[in-house]
Amino acid sequence: IQLTQSPSTLSASVGDRVTITCRATGSTGPWLAWYQQKPGKAPKLLIYTASTLESGVPPRFSGSGSGPEFTLTISSLQPDDFATYYCQQYNSFSPWTFGQGTKVEIK
Amino acid sequence: EVQLLESGGGLVQPGGSLRLSCAVSGVTFSRFAMNWVRQAPGKGLEWVSAISGKGDDIHYVDSAKGRFIISRDNSKNTLFLQMNNLRVEDTAIYFCAKARAVLFDYFDSWGQGTLVTVSS
Repeated sequence: IQLTQSPSTLSASVGDRVTITCRATGSTGPWLAWYQQKPGKAPKLLIYTASTLESGVPPRFSGSGSGPEFTLTISSLQPDDFATYYCQQYNSFSPWTFGQGTKVEIK
Repeated sequence: EVQLLESGGGLVQPGGSLRLSCAVSGVTFSRFAMNWVRQAPGKGLEWVSAISGKGDDIHYVDSAKGRFIISRDNSKNTLFLQMNNLRVEDTAIYFCAKARAVLFDYFDSWGQGTLVTVSS
């Protein structure tokens, strides 16, 4: 299964609503996660099983979708949210692939 | 608090070998599957290998098959990646990542990464 994220780069301002899309080439079921990565740091889990918010992650982050298209939404972009975001599928029939990433930049 | 600390990265010539380690603390290590994920300079994330909690179920990305060996020592709470016949395209930061529970699962904790550079 391959994952394609769009857009690859996104320019936005603080307070904007931001949506990132992840499209799978095969059936992932609900087994999709989203990660945030800042430069020089390890990825951080945001959302799993397509829409479940990881403990401690601000509620402005949300996930939706059920395959083959999933979305990550940030309801009101904050300065700390400028980063690169990756989707990942973990379907047991096609192990662990990541999308190519979406960089969220300051407009 | 779960902590993962990688070590063992460095500069190696093409065809050489390197062994990465990941020391895990703050969790009952043997209960969880573990993974290696890499990131080439300026590129995205690529899953490399996974191992079940008992070490009896192992998976590799195609490019690592026959060259890399994942293993774990549950008595020492440590994950390993033996990398042989290294290629220039293996140059990357290598992260170890803990699965939430089962083998086919998302990754809820990550180490800070160790840099592997393959160059002559």
